[in-house]
Amino acid sequence: AQSVAQPEDQVNVAEGNPLTVKCTYSVSGNPYLFWYVQYPNRGLQFLLKYITGDNLVKGSYGFEAEFNKSQTSFHLKKPSALVSDSALYFCAVEAGTALIFGKGTTLSVSS
Amino acid sequence: SQTIHQWPATLVQPVGSPLSLECTVEGTSNPNLYWYRQAAGRGLQLLFYSVGIGQISSEVPQNLSASRPQDRQFILSSKKLLLSDSGFYLCAWSNPGRGAGNTIYFGEGSWLTVV
Repeated sequence: AQSVAQPEDQVNVAEGNPLTVKCTYSVSGNPYLFWYVQYPNRGLQFLLKYITGDNLVKGSYGFEAEFNKSQTSFHLKKPSALVSDSALYFCAVEAGTALIFGKGTTLSVSS
Repeated sequence: SQTIHQWPATLVQPVGSPLSLECTVEGTSNPNLYWYRQAAGRGLQLLFYSVGIGQISSEVPQNLSASRPQDRQFILSSKKLLLSDSGFYLCAWSNPGRGAGNTIYFGEGSWLTVV
């Protein structure tokens, strides 16, 4: 069965520093991987996805993610964090017609 | 462009009362449609998905049901709510197809509190 794991419940980073939110996956076949962000009391917003090709995927709001097949990871990164990046981040994997989500990582960026 | 509308945004219902949450998508045809539930602000649980009118797949056995009476309309219902049904319900859509890496797009969600 397809699954993703987000090992950190919370990540704290200072504004201007680089950030990484971790995700590992377990799939049979080709992995289709996604990152979403959720602000309080809002729906999820799509950030980026990996389908095939370049292992470094660029997405919205300056975020990028690195696909690593040998480590079965798909970590979300940003070179310089903003306070406005503080939110709940979800990694997801395609399973049939739907997406299976991780439990989420709360990112807190301090000024 | 495509848009998704979900309502009501918030509702408080007594235990044992019925429920109806509605979702419509505009600007696309024959979308895949989804209902997810998010409890305690954390992980998302897939409840139902639909690949066409009248075609509903249930992922979790419970007292909820879903219907798709029109191509771009998806309804989540219950005949008798339980306290455990409280949560944040999210409707979503994607382009048709399976295993194609289609992005799923979410509505703004509906907060349900069962008292």
